[in-house]
Amino acid sequence: DAKTTQPPSMDCAEGRAANLPCNHSTISGNEYVYWYRQIHSQGPQYIIHGLKNNETNEMASLIITEDRKSSTLILPHATLRDTAVYYCIVNSGGSNYKLTFGKGTLLTVNP
Amino acid sequence: SAVISQKPSRDICQRGTSLTIQCQVDSQVTMMFWYRQQPGQSLTLIATANQGSEATYESGFVIDKFPISRPNLTFSTLTVSNMSPEDSSIYLCSVSVAGREQFFGPGTRLTVL
Repeated sequence: DAKTTQPPSMDCAEGRAANLPCNHSTISGNEYVYWYRQIHSQGPQYIIHGLKNNETNEMASLIITEDRKSSTLILPHATLRDTAVYYCIVNSGGSNYKLTFGKGTLLTVNP
Repeated sequence: SAVISQKPSRDICQRGTSLTIQCQVDSQVTMMFWYRQQPGQSLTLIATANQGSEATYESGFVIDKFPISRPNLTFSTLTVSNMSPEDSSIYLCSVSVAGREQFFGPGTRLTVL
């Protein structure tokens, strides 16, 4: 699976949009981009995933560049409860669906 | 989605003993996984629990140390054998429902003295 690079930490003001970048320059054509988050002392939570097109769900939006070498997770109105470590993971899915977690980005939402 | 429970939620064990962690899912799932999260670290996949056959272990993890059972499509156990303080971690199970996203249990926090 392709490797991902994320900033170790970011801050965001409550109510503002949080934009979390991820670089995956070695991604291959059949690999998806997944985002998970882990709130302190809890199991990771699935957020969103995408292949080529931008995706949106009730939690977040995922913007993938045209060359697919990077992506941005957007939390449109961050709340204090969004403070967590956010993981960007690249995986081809299917029968080889194993997640390789990097160090992620610690997002701190400030009041 | 899937609702996953783990037992115990936490335990403190003595060196040299073994602990079995249970993972129960509220629906039948094909793929179940076990992860370890050492203090201050990210998650590392231990093995894929296969129903009806032996688990598939990742590099650095062996069956003698982490035996896994998967008797049916809703249940799995992970045993941490002959424990040492280095085994102190959070152990998490996860399931894949539709072959895409994974859902994680709340984890078992293990402290080995």
